[in-house]
Amino acid sequence: QQQVKQSPQSLIVQKGGISIINCAYENTAFDYFPWYQQFPGKGPALLIAIRPDVSEKKEGRFTISFNKSAKQFSLHIMDSQPGDSATYFCAASKNDYKLSFGAGTTVTVRA
Amino acid sequence: DTAVSQTPKYLVTQMGNDKSIKCEQNLGHDTMYWYKQDSKKFLKIMFSYNNKELIINETVPNRFSPKSPDKAHLNLHINSLELGDSAVYFCASSGTHGYTFGSGTRLTVV
Repeated sequence: QQQVKQSPQSLIVQKGGISIINCAYENTAFDYFPWYQQFPGKGPALLIAIRPDVSEKKEGRFTISFNKSAKQFSLHIMDSQPGDSATYFCAASKNDYKLSFGAGTTVTVRA
Repeated sequence: DTAVSQTPKYLVTQMGNDKSIKCEQNLGHDTMYWYKQDSKKFLKIMFSYNNKELIINETVPNRFSPKSPDKAHLNLHINSLELGDSAVYFCASSGTHGYTFGSGTRLTVV
């Protein structure tokens, strides 16, 4: 069964807007939560990752929020740009091993 | 210099054939993986090798056989290909900075 549930399946945002993607997990042993970005014809590329000892991590326009008690984490893309149009995957693993992926969210940024 | 490279990028073959996909990483990682991405883009792990030793074998038909000649290489051989094997197959390796994926092999079985 899918260990990480991701929503929404797709979203459209205007240039300059905020994109928010949510993920939930069940396995409390997970201790590593990365987000991957995938462009058509390419492999997933690591975007940003968080461990459960912090509640938020920011890298440039990308922020992960993590809620350990709710077993949820989310990706916020601030000031969305057309170049951010891609599929985003959340994932989770224990000890950086055997990543389980969410189903993916296709983000379209309209100019 | 590509970190994780896999060949071929595209593979079109008939049902019943046997094919191989090759993967090489130059990152010095000990662990390598094969993932399958289906038509809905869902990524599912198939196999994992750590220093040439198989450590993960998910529920994959035994027509799929991985081989790791050394820790920098992980190949995937598929026997008796079926229509349902059509997908994109990604090789990946993992180290201290997370997973690095190859650019994928799109397999189409006709």
